[in-house]
Amino acid sequence: AQKITQTQPGMFVQEKEAVTLDCTYDTSDPSYGLFWYKQPSSGEMIFLIYQGSYDQQNATEGRYSLNFQKARKSANLVISASQLGDSAMYFCAMREGRVFSGGYNKLIFGAGTRLAVHP
Amino acid sequence: NAGVTQTPKFQVLKTGQSMTLQCAQDMNHEYMSWYRQDPGMGLRLIHYSVGAGITDQGEVPNGYNVSRSTTEDFPLRLLSAAPSQTSVYFCASSRRLAGVNEQFFGPGTRLTVL
Repeated sequence: AQKITQTQPGMFVQEKEAVTLDCTYDTSDPSYGLFWYKQPSSGEMIFLIYQGSYDQQNATEGRYSLNFQKARKSANLVISASQLGDSAMYFCAMREGRVFSGGYNKLIFGAGTRLAVHP
Repeated sequence: NAGVTQTPKFQVLKTGQSMTLQCAQDMNHEYMSWYRQDPGMGLRLIHYSVGAGITDQGEVPNGYNVSRSTTEDFPLRLLSAAPSQTSVYFCASSRRLAGVNEQFFGPGTRLTVL
């Protein structure tokens, strides 16, 4: 069963507008973490934002925020005031367990969403 | 601080050849991992290590070997390359702590097997 689903293969947005990239996940572990990574055309993976399953508030990092709806198992990334440099692939990922422990738990990635920002 | 470095950036192999992808990190991270990225499939874990001398298999380990003799280095060996191993390979490292501990990725190696 797919653990991370990103249903939008491609999205486009006008510069300066906000955009939401969808991510749903599947886990029975009460302790998990959700990540978003950006991959520009140069290929590197850039960490954007993290949400722990026990976090009471939605995570925010600058123009990035994570709309965490635990009951619906969704962790959508919201980019406010899009910039041309936001054009990239965006990956949602989940790590089960390890919110409170230090053990290694595997990172599971979705297939990604390609975002294009138009001027 | 170089972070996570990978060599080579690009490689072309013939079927049956062997090679080693190099990965090094200078952040004293305990955990290191190898992923492959194929179109439409995101990243998949090949092997990982929780410390020097300790490695384990990930989701797609067949055809690959790893070892970790030092904290810094985590090479990935292709024993007999196959066209199905054409992919982009990423090495990543992270700390052994609770909480966020995001994985830091290297720049990737683009491998083509003919």
